[in-house]
Amino acid sequence: NAGVTQTPKFQVLKTGQSMTLQCAQDMNHEYMSWYRQDPGMGLRLIHYSVGAGITDQGEVPNGYNVSRSTTEDFPLRLLSAAPSQTSVYFCASSYQDRNYEQYFGPGTRLTVT
Amino acid sequence: RKEVEQDPGPFNVPEGATVAFNCTYSNSASQSFFWYRQDCRKEPKLLMSVYSSGNEDGRFTAQLNRASQYISLLIRDSKLSDSATYLCVVPSPGNFVFGPGTRLSVLP
Repeated sequence: NAGVTQTPKFQVLKTGQSMTLQCAQDMNHEYMSWYRQDPGMGLRLIHYSVGAGITDQGEVPNGYNVSRSTTEDFPLRLLSAAPSQTSVYFCASSYQDRNYEQYFGPGTRLTVT
Repeated sequence: RKEVEQDPGPFNVPEGATVAFNCTYSNSASQSFFWYRQDCRKEPKLLMSVYSSGNEDGRFTAQLNRASQYISLLIRDSKLSDSATYLCVVPSPGNFVFGPGTRLSVLP
C-alpha cells in the first residue's frame, strides 16, 4: 500500500513551458485534490475531484487543468508556466469528501524561471 | 476577515512545557475541524479531528468553541519531536481551508 504518490519530486521549468504533475493513490479514495503551498501562506486548493469523471475548481484554479479518468489517478497540468507558479504542490485523497481525513503525497517542488 | 487565522508564532518552548495554539474561523456553518502537523519540507499529516466540543489524544487536546468560532490545540509535556508547524483546517463548501500554520520549536 503506497498511499499517495507524486512525480516528479523536483522540476525546473522555463516560462511558457507546459508540464503535467502526476498523482496516484491506491486506497480506492473517491475524493482527490491538488494544493499549492507558498511561504507564509496556508495550502490553497487548486482543483478537486469527487470521483472519476468529475472535477471542479478550487480557490486558485487559473493556469491549471485537471482530469480524472480513473479513481486512482489525478494529474495536474500547467498550461503555460509562469514564475508565479513557483511553489510546492501537494496532491491529497480522502475516503469520501473533505470532511474526512486527507492523505497527502510527498509533494512536488516546482521552480519556474 | 480571513477564513481561517492562526496564532502567527513561532513558539519557542522548553521540553516539558505546555503550549496552546489558537485558530479562528469565519464560516459558522462548518461542522468538522482538523489539526494537521507539517514537518519541514514534508507533507501535512493529520494530528486530530474535532467534530464536537473537543477531542483528546494522549498529550494533545483540541477544544472547539462554536459560539466564538475558534479551535485550540493544547500540547502537554512537550517533546523535542513535537517541533513542527501546526495547521488548522476548516472544510467549507467547495473548499478545504488551511490556516497559515503556527510553528513550534521545542528546545532542549
